[in-house]
Amino acid sequence: DVVMTQSPLSLPVTLGQPASISCRSSQGLVSSDGNTYLSWFQQRPGQSPRRLIYKVSNRDSGVPDRFSGSGSGTDFTLMISRVEAEDVGLYYCMQGTHWPPYTFGQGTNLEIK
Amino acid sequence: EVQLVESGGDLVKPGGSLRLSCAASGFTFTSAWMSWVRQAPGKGLEWVGQIKGKSDGGSTDYAAPVKGRFTISRDDSESTLYLQMNSVKTEDTALYYCTWLWNGGPHFWGQGTLVTVSS
Repeated sequence: DVVMTQSPLSLPVTLGQPASISCRSSQGLVSSDGNTYLSWFQQRPGQSPRRLIYKVSNRDSGVPDRFSGSGSGTDFTLMISRVEAEDVGLYYCMQGTHWPPYTFGQGTNLEIK
Repeated sequence: EVQLVESGGDLVKPGGSLRLSCAASGFTFTSAWMSWVRQAPGKGLEWVGQIKGKSDGGSTDYAAPVKGRFTISRDDSESTLYLQMNSVKTEDTALYYCTWLWNGGPHFWGQGTLVTVSS
């Protein structure tokens, strides 16, 4: 199984400042169809997860453009350009290339400093 | 508007059975790949299994911890997804989410239904 490793696991950020979360996979995530199926999810306290980014850098509908994804191979990053109060919560990366199983990172807890 | 509404979560004894349902609307369910993802209390997300759309054969895949005990099925006429849970264990205690898979991952999530396995 592909292991997804996130860092940091805890991320205190000042409002209005940028934030970055790293995700590393134990093997490359390029699929046989040429796509890289790496997604990012946000889970606000008490809510269901919501996908923010798919295929490394594509924002899902309704996701603010302050969220961006980048990376390739085995190293990926979620960036928030200016953190807002509503961004507090858990963030997970997930690979959808080498299934089954789909595998998630451990989660990163973003909090306001 | 896309909606996924799970139901069926309950308290069940170890070794018992339970069936979860997920009523889908707002998208073409017949061709959609669907999955179940669970989250144990205070823990991260764990993929449970998936079922492909009818046009892709409707086959299923499962995570190792549930393979042989859980079965995913679908009723396309009712736009409903199911998770049959047999021989449940205490470690199956979790909030179970129904998800619509698109472009390599869960595109849309339901609100979840809680399964508690305890004697």
